Amino acid sequence: GNSVTQMEGPVTLSEEAFLTINCTYTATGYPSLFWYVQYPGEGLQLLLKATKADDKGSNKGFEATYRKETTSFHLEKGSVQVSDSAVYFCALSTTSYDKVIFGPGTSLSVIP
Amino acid sequence: EPEVTQTPSHQVTQMGQEVILRCVPISNHLYFYWYRQILGQKVEFLVSFYNNEISEKSEIFDDQFSVERPDGSNFTLKIRSTKLEDSAMYFCASRVAQGVVETQYFGPGTRLLVL
Repeated sequence: GNSVTQMEGPVTLSEEAFLTINCTYTATGYPSLFWYVQYPGEGLQLLLKATKADDKGSNKGFEATYRKETTSFHLEKGSVQVSDSAVYFCALSTTSYDKVIFGPGTSLSVIP
Repeated sequence: EPEVTQTPSHQVTQMGQEVILRCVPISNHLYFYWYRQILGQKVEFLVSFYNNEISEKSEIFDDQFSVERPDGSNFTLKIRSTKLEDSAMYFCASRVAQGVVETQYFGPGTRLLVL
């Protein structure tokens, strides 16, 4: 079946450090890939997405590239801020109406 | 920007009681979903709804659960007799969905606590 695997953390970084959160997926067909972010005490917000191979999604300094050959969608940011502290969920969806399948989430803490 | 809204934001109930969680999806969206997230765990799919009927449901979505779109704007999740393990954050989502995979937009969630 379809699934998403990501590093679970928690990840603790100093402000301005480089961030990578690894995400790999298993899916039939050609899924769309997403990163959602959940700030403390809040709901899920779409951070970025990519709908086909080699697409790069980007938002708020975060980016991720859809790599079909490695079935990966790693999240990166060049310089994290304290305000980036949150849980990050990698996710996929395979059709126009299908459910979103989430990875387990990666908790990120950024310290000053 | 249009958004999905949910009420209430928090609900506390006694075990065995019925609860109804309410959602107002984005107005031109056609597909509706409920997910839940038990504290500290992953977000899990419960049910999808299209054209006034359930299109898919997970094994979590047993006979205690039901969904309804009672009018043109609301989408509800009813838990008939709550259990302690129903305590979770419940997210509603909607998607416009025709052709290319469209983004699913999530509401802010309802935190349900069953005592």
